[in-house]
Amino acid sequence: AQSVTQLDSQVPVFEEAPVELRCNYSSSVSVYLFWYVQYPNQGLQLLLKYLSGSTLVKGINGFEAEFNKSQTSFHLRKPSVHISDTAEYFCAVSEGGGSNYKLTFGKGTLLTVNP
Amino acid sequence: DSGVTQTPKHLITATGQRVTLRCSPRSGDLSVYWYQQSLDQGLQFLIQYYNGEERAKGNILERFSAQQFPDLHSELNLSSLELGDSALYFCASSLMAGGPETQYFGPGTRLLVL
Repeated sequence: AQSVTQLDSQVPVFEEAPVELRCNYSSSVSVYLFWYVQYPNQGLQLLLKYLSGSTLVKGINGFEAEFNKSQTSFHLRKPSVHISDTAEYFCAVSEGGGSNYKLTFGKGTLLTVNP
Repeated sequence: DSGVTQTPKHLITATGQRVTLRCSPRSGDLSVYWYQQSLDQGLQFLIQYYNGEERAKGNILERFSAQQFPDLHSELNLSSLELGDSALYFCASSLMAGGPETQYFGPGTRLLVL
């Protein structure tokens, strides 16, 4: 069975600082990996996804993530954060097959960007 | 705006009651997923429908059921409600169930059981 571990429940940073949000997964087969962001009182929005190919994936709002198969990780990074990046970030894995691509989510990381 | 709509936004009810949550997927999307978000369990997959048929079940209680109608909207029915059912319920949709496509999430329905 697939599972996702987000190692930090909260990450406080100052504006314009770099940030890395960590995500590790476990799966017995090939996986597809996603990062979603949830702003306060809103639904989830896709930041980026890894399906295949290049292990460095670029997403919206200046975020990127690197897929590392040997370390079963998919860490999210941004070189310089803004106040508006304050939100909860969810890593998710989809273990595909047939017509079922349900997402298994991590517990989430609350990123708080301080001025 | 993801294009997925959910009604109602908020729902307050009492234990033992039954409620229905409604979801309209993005135009053209055939697959609908339901997720529950709670403080203790996080985000959990409940059930998936594809073009009217149930395709996958996750951690969905027997007191919960869902269906997808011919116009592709979906309803999640929660019965014999308990305090622990208080949560945010999300619907997501994707074009088809044939690959790892992006799931687009609605704004959610916040359910409070008193």
